[in-house]
Amino acid sequence: EAQVTQNPRYLITVTGKKLTVTCSQNMNHEYMSWYRQDPGLGLRQIYYSMNVEVTDKGDVPEGYKVSRKEKRNFPLILESPSPNQTSLYFCASSGRYGYTFGSGTRLTVV
Amino acid sequence: AQSVTQLDSQVPVFEEAPVELRCNYSSSVSVYLFWYVQYPNQGLQLLLKYLSGSTLVKGINGFEAEFNKSQTSFHLRKPSVHISDTAEYFCAVSSSSNDYKLSFGAGTTVTVRA
Repeated sequence: EAQVTQNPRYLITVTGKKLTVTCSQNMNHEYMSWYRQDPGLGLRQIYYSMNVEVTDKGDVPEGYKVSRKEKRNFPLILESPSPNQTSLYFCASSGRYGYTFGSGTRLTVV
Repeated sequence: AQSVTQLDSQVPVFEEAPVELRCNYSSSVSVYLFWYVQYPNQGLQLLLKYLSGSTLVKGINGFEAEFNKSQTSFHLRKPSVHISDTAEYFCAVSSSSNDYKLSFGAGTTVTVRA
């Protein structure tokens, strides 16, 4: 089944403790992207990647890092999480013409 | 850069009634347009997309949308809704030359009542 898999689904962490949210896709897509969803703001793009080793900032990149060492994986790294990064995060991949989204990771930073 | 405005944050509707969700976009270049649906506690699912050609686009679950270039709109419609259509709906736009950069509207919550 074609899908984007994120882990974990839920995560509660403390301020400053580094964490990684993994994302993997099995569709051989070139494009991958991370979004955060906040009430009243819709989805905002954090980072995107056009291919292996090619990444670029989206609209809200501050406080996040990404890497794209393999085509199928695109982890999101929070080196020092802060409470304002509490949000619902989605990974997505696209061949062309529209993204396929993962099920989301609900992150709470206390 | 492109942006999207969804004109209604909440739309209550009775079962079997029609619904229209309004979406306007701004862009200086040609665009691709999308509607996504998010059911409670789930990810986003593509409802339909406009890339080129016919301005009336049909999607899944009986939804359709019409692209209007002069009014820069892409409104979503369904002639008769069901309880199961209760969800949040997002309009999104990308430029046709950079279609990996997808910009979303703030979302419209549709609540269908019996």
